[in-house]
Amino acid sequence: EVQLVESGGGLVQPGGSLRLSCAASGFTFSTYWMHWVRQAPGKGLVWVSRINVPGSSTSYVDSVKGRLTISRDNAKNTVYLQMNSLRAEDTAVYYCTRSIGAAGNFDYWGRGTLVTVSS
Amino acid sequence: SYELTQPPSVSVSPGQTASIPCSGDKLGDKNVCWYQQKPGQSPILIIYQDYKRPSGIPERFSGSNSGNTATLTISGTQAMDEAEYYCQAWDTSTVVFGGGTKLTVL
Repeated sequence: EVQLVESGGGLVQPGGSLRLSCAASGFTFSTYWMHWVRQAPGKGLVWVSRINVPGSSTSYVDSVKGRLTISRDNAKNTVYLQMNSLRAEDTAVYYCTRSIGAAGNFDYWGRGTLVTVSS
Repeated sequence: SYELTQPPSVSVSPGQTASIPCSGDKLGDKNVCWYQQKPGQSPILIIYQDYKRPSGIPERFSGSNSGNTATLTISGTQAMDEAEYYCQAWDTSTVVFGGGTKLTVL
């Protein structure tokens, strides 16, 4: 059974940092691109970032460039999102999902982890 | 940056057909996916590559994509279909979601 389990969310002050993790199981992790998608309270889905299989190529939505960094450890079947210089507008549930390369669909999603940026 | 536009809300009577449009520049040249999300739950893939249904998704869900508009169609809409629906496409090596459409089954 495919499982994506996010962790690491919580309450952080503006300007602070947080690292999210997504542990994958039930499939060959090293054949999938991995993504983070976020959803602010009461709002829609926003794609945040993606990483290719070897971790050599990443992309980000403009609003997080320079502050959030995606990475992966294929030996641990885990993808990470390092979040620095956090802002109130980063408050959201962060979902982990996967795709078969570029142009692939998101067929499995985690349950999400909530990040709250507030003083 | 690329944008996908959806109406905020669509209403439908039980048993009728609901159509949810998603518009974007030359969207017909891209592969479009659709996701269903119910309150408090993670999104579920219901249509991929414009019209294909993953296993387990009822046949009443269908999709099309041409020109600048992709459309999700729900035939014989049921109360359980009340949810938020999002279209999604790739733009070069990044991903874009539509703003979402709240489907209300009256």
